[in-house]
Amino acid sequence: EDQVTQSPEALRLQEGESSSLNCSYTVSGLRGLFWYRQDPGKGPEFLFTLYSAGEEKEKERLKATLTKKESFLHITAPKPEDSATYLCAVQGGVTGGGNKLTFGTGTQLKVEL
Amino acid sequence: GAGVSQSPSNKVTEKGKDVELRCDPISGHTALYWYRQSLGQGLEFLIYFQGNSAPDKSGLPSDRFSAERTGGSVSTLTIQRTQQEDSAVYLCASSLQKQETQYFGPGTRLLVL
Repeated sequence: EDQVTQSPEALRLQEGESSSLNCSYTVSGLRGLFWYRQDPGKGPEFLFTLYSAGEEKEKERLKATLTKKESFLHITAPKPEDSATYLCAVQGGVTGGGNKLTFGTGTQLKVEL
Repeated sequence: GAGVSQSPSNKVTEKGKDVELRCDPISGHTALYWYRQSLGQGLEFLIYFQGNSAPDKSGLPSDRFSAERTGGSVSTLTIQRTQQEDSAVYLCASSLQKQETQYFGPGTRLLVL
């Protein structure tokens, strides 16, 4: 069974204070690892897809990296508008469950002035 | 272009009543997914539709839950004889193909009294 664990559960940063969020996973045949951002009362908003170890993707102040066991979401010089819950999910290759996403419980990030 | 839409945005019902939740996927997306997000829990997969293939119902928690997708587009999730533990946010997602990135709607917040 695919599993995703995210840490920390919550993170408080000062504006400009860079940090990283962790996503550890176990999956049979990784098809993709996904990062989403979720604001209160809204659906998850897609950020990145990573497919293989060593891959990196960037968008504004966010950079996602992938190894065979974990993914990191690096946030450089965050701003208050980066405050949200960040969700990690994997799509595995086991037959019968290969299309669904298995999600972690998220990291709730708050960036303060 | 238009994203995934869901209705109603909020639903309050009494225990034992049936409810129907609607999802309109992104135009042209062949894959459609339903997930459930309970307080403090990660998103939980419920059901998946791909084109005209038989749906993957492996995530439905009980036979009170059912879903259909008409004409390869709109989907309805039905919960019969609702229970208080059914209270959650029900999220719909669609993707261009079955292994592509899933884009989420805003969700329906269901409260069973």
